[in-house]
Amino acid sequence: DAGVTQSPTHLIKTRGQQVTLRCSPKSGHDTVSWYQQALGQGPQFIFQYYEEEERQRGNFPDRFSGHQFPNYSSELNVNALLLGDSALYLCASSIAGTHEAFFGQGTRLTVV
Amino acid sequence: RKEVEQDPGPFNVPEGATVAFNCTYSNSASQSFFWYRQDCRKEPKLLMSVYSSGNEDGRFTAQLNRASQYISLLIRDSKLSDSATYLCVVIAISSGSARQLTFGSGTQLTVLP
Repeated sequence: DAGVTQSPTHLIKTRGQQVTLRCSPKSGHDTVSWYQQALGQGPQFIFQYYEEEERQRGNFPDRFSGHQFPNYSSELNVNALLLGDSALYLCASSIAGTHEAFFGQGTRLTVV
Repeated sequence: RKEVEQDPGPFNVPEGATVAFNCTYSNSASQSFFWYRQDCRKEPKLLMSVYSSGNEDGRFTAQLNRASQYISLLIRDSKLSDSATYLCVVIAISSGSARQLTFGSGTQLTVLP
């Protein structure tokens, strides 16, 4: 049983560019949440998707957008990249109505 | 003020030592509480849930004090393999029924031989 998988694992982008990160949830999970983890900090909630809709959003600008597909997989898009967007981006999957979340290994984004 | 605050650490302890981590949260509507463990450059993994009655899992004991909005984690007989960052996590259910995990900044533990 594959856990949560994210791609790519590492990415280097230039300021101003756009990036798309992908996440496949654990089998049987229908909810996907995205987090940004800067070095030395805990993960910060970006948004959560359920039934292909954004259910809740954290304190992130509109440059951060997402999508969930019918197979529950999800994408995180970041436009107009800033140096400060450099971080580990984590995807967590869960079953709606439950508390336990499983994390993917993350995508390490470096903006230069 | 951060929603979830933890001891900044780092904690450097010898093998066999007992170490305690503390965490406070500001949202009184918080409903569920957890400790996650994160190894260097890896994803967070659930260590244990935290209940008001306290819960124990081997060498690990977690405790919740709702009145004080305080969570603790005690590790007894520390092992080298316990070296990691420990993240305090709080869940509040939003009006849209979303369960958002709010993380503390983490406390780094290094167990020394």
